Formats: sequence, C-alpha cells, structure tokens
Amino acid sequence: DQQVKQNSPSLSVQEGRISILNCDYTNSMFDYFLWYKKYPAEGPTFLISISSIKDKNEDGRFTVFLNKSAKHLSLHIVPSQPGDSAVYFCAASASGNTGKLIFGQGTTLQVKP
Amino acid sequence: KAGVTQTPRYLIKTRGQQVTLSCSPISGHRSVSWYQQTPGQGLQFLFEYFSETQRNKGNFPGRFSGRQFSNSRSEMNVSTLELGDSALYLCASSLAYGGPPGNEQFFGPGTRLTVL
Repeated sequence: DQQVKQNSPSLSVQEGRISILNCDYTNSMFDYFLWYKKYPAEGPTFLISISSIKDKNEDGRFTVFLNKSAKHLSLHIVPSQPGDSAVYFCAASASGNTGKLIFGQGTTLQVKP
Repeated sequence: KAGVTQTPRYLIKTRGQQVTLSCSPISGHRSVSWYQQTPGQGLQFLFEYFSETQRNKGNFPGRFSGRQFSNSRSEMNVSTLELGDSALYLCASSLAYGGPPGNEQFFGPGTRLTVL
C-alpha cells in the first residue's frame, strides 16, 4: 500500500522556467511533509518542509503548497537551474513521529540549459 | 558542523553472513533513523532510536536489528543475509524525538551493501 505517491517518474524543464513536482498521500494521519533532493551515491538532502496547519511555505527558489482536502502537495522551483537536476522525494510523517518518514518513489528532474 | 557519517561506505558480503553498519549523527542530534533504499521498493523506514531505545520500527523481518549508544551513535545489524538485502542503507539524524518544528531529518551518504 503506497501511502505517498509521486506519479511522475520524470520531469524535464528548460533552465529559467518553473519546475512543478507533485505528490499525493492517502493517510489522513500525516500532518508533516518534506521534500528531499538526492544525487546518485549521496544521501537525500533536506530542501523544505510544511506542516498541515499551513498551505504554503517558501524558502528562496523553493515553495511547497499543501492542499489537505485533496491530500496533495507540490514543490515549485523558480527559476529552475541545471544544478537542480536530481531525484526529488516527497516524504510524510504523522504527528509527533517525525523520525518515521514515509517516502514517495521519487521524481527525476532534468533541467536543460 | 560535520554531517551524518556512515561507515563503511561500501560492503560486499555473501549469503548467510551477517553485517554491522555504523552511523554517527550530527553533533547534538539525539535521534537516529535507518532506511533501506532499493530500486524496487524505494526508500523504506527500518527503525528509529532515541535515548538508546527503539521508538519506531518498520515492516522488516527480525533479521534486521539496531542499537544506539549513549553518545547517540547507532549501529544496525543484518543477520543471515539474503540476496534481496542488497541495498543502500541510509542513516538520518534529527535533534530530538517527536514532532516539528525544526526536527527535520538529515541523511548520511549511505552504506552500499552488496550480497552475493
């Protein structure tokens, strides 16, 4: 049972444009969501998080939007840069349990110069 | 501040053997979680330790075990290795046990285990 889903295995965008990565979840107990970026042969790098009491969180070029009613979140990267090319994972945890992350399958983002 | 370190980075074992992987969290972090990454199953939670106690456990057989020491360093052990245990094993640390804010997990580079 895939509780966190990233339905797009890959995404290709032009440098300078917006990248939008999507994530859906099924477990209504999840109330904390994170995005990680991963390069080959490295561990995931934390990018940005959002609590269920918010619907938007920004950090520089990265913005995460949360739609609780749709159980959907998205990561926007503006503007996209070639160095953003990596695998992006969406993760979720339940209240008071941030040490147990449930991950999506990942989306490979390619930013073309 | 140094990040999460994991040793060894690469390991080759044969079926039936056992293996111990080590993780040193970021200084000041007291919670350590372990994950397994495989091409087929993705990133899956193994267990979480805080204050030398296992706080959470994922859906893995009892061959997978772990422990945490008083300095927050953690080890995980896999006994009677199977071919399917070949994976990248990732350790993550966070400040404390429980909820946000500020309790995000930071990952180490992982240990690549190959079982022949």
